[in-house]
Amino acid sequence: RKEVEQDPGPFNVPEGATVAFNCTYSNSASQSFFWYRQDCRKEPKLLMSVYSSGNEDGRFTAQLNRASQYISLLIRDSKLSDSATYLCVVNNPPDKLIFGTGTRLQVFP
Amino acid sequence: DTGVSQDPRHKITKRGQNVTFRCDPISEHNRLYWYRQTLGQGPEFLTYFQNEAQLEKSRLLSDRFSAERPKGSFSTLEIQRTEQGDSAMYLCASSLAGSPQETQYFGPGTRLLVL
Repeated sequence: RKEVEQDPGPFNVPEGATVAFNCTYSNSASQSFFWYRQDCRKEPKLLMSVYSSGNEDGRFTAQLNRASQYISLLIRDSKLSDSATYLCVVNNPPDKLIFGTGTRLQVFP
Repeated sequence: DTGVSQDPRHKITKRGQNVTFRCDPISEHNRLYWYRQTLGQGPEFLTYFQNEAQLEKSRLLSDRFSAERPKGSFSTLEIQRTEQGDSAMYLCASSLAGSPQETQYFGPGTRLLVL
């Protein structure tokens, strides 16, 4: 079983749609959680950290459920520029990032 | 530009040759990481340094791979006797130990093709 599992997609959604990505992780000792965005042939870039209480950044909302070892990302009012691969990432002690395979999102006009 | 930089951005080599990549982290960051990414996969951890000390190495890092960070600033990753399976994007990241969430910032990567 992979340490971080994501649905690879692709998710094809129209502009303005709401889309949700889910992720599960296997190590209950994981300490911090992130969503990174990766454009084609580019490096991953931090989209947002994920906090236990849930957090929002504009159109993006991240949730964490430690009991179920489950992380989610919700994107509202999708834009064409949101098209990318979204990587679910956990930080395992002492300080090692474990990446999921990524979920590909394609927003069409 | 004060972000993470990597050199070269692209490298094509023949099987059996040695290659070396360089990473310059964000200047105040004391932690530096190497990852490898193949097509359709997320980055995989290879190794990391805190200052000049190499603190962890993945099982993915065979004895053909060696990484150094001699002065606690830039780092090099060398692959000896390259194999076609080494073809991948090699990503470097840096972070500041003790900062909130200890966010890692990635460089643009070095894309290696072994013929």
